[in-house]
Amino acid sequence: GQQLNQSPQSMFIQEGEDVSMNCTSSSIFNTWLWYKQEPGEGPVLLIALYKAGELTSNGRLTAQFGITRKDSFLNISASIPSDVGIYFCAGQRGGSNYKLTFGKGTLLTVNP
Amino acid sequence: DADVTQTPRNRITKTGKRIMLECSQTKGHDRMYWYRQDPGLGLRLIYYSFDVKDINKGEISDGYSVSRQAQAKFSLSLESAIPNQTALYFCATSEGHDTQYFGPGTRLTVL
Repeated sequence: GQQLNQSPQSMFIQEGEDVSMNCTSSSIFNTWLWYKQEPGEGPVLLIALYKAGELTSNGRLTAQFGITRKDSFLNISASIPSDVGIYFCAGQRGGSNYKLTFGKGTLLTVNP
Repeated sequence: DADVTQTPRNRITKTGKRIMLECSQTKGHDRMYWYRQDPGLGLRLIYYSFDVKDINKGEISDGYSVSRQAQAKFSLSLESAIPNQTALYFCATSEGHDTQYFGPGTRLTVL
């Protein structure tokens, strides 16, 4: 089935550092989404991208929809301890295909 | 109050038991989904429903069944639980093809 390759699997960084993670696919998606999951909670949407090349920010988070529509990245600037969690990318084909395909997640640990 | 709620939040059961997980939403969304999350595997779709009369299998539906009792309620059943169904289960909702919003999850352990 459809797969998204998300990397890295985990990151250990110091507070204040910038973070970058990405997702790639062998197939095209029309929508890319980035979610964050904290312990004991469900994933929460951070950023949604709907157009190839789109660059969108949400506070210290910036995500881009790759030109080829087969990849996306998420950057977090000046990390803080509450950034800790698992970050998931998800792709959606669009049209009549509602399904989300999720990456396996990036576990982020921020050392104060 | 949370828009998407799941009950129970935690459940421990024995092999062979029937289990029902419930999901309710106040968002007024037409579409509801059940996902399973396992460490290192991300989220995988079990079943989805576009409205009360519509039920569809996802990628891992074997061993599960669902019921859409009303627009706001979507329950997941394990008819005869087995240990490899130990996982985190998430309900999600969306309005049409729009963004999916997730509930807080149910942690299920099958002994």
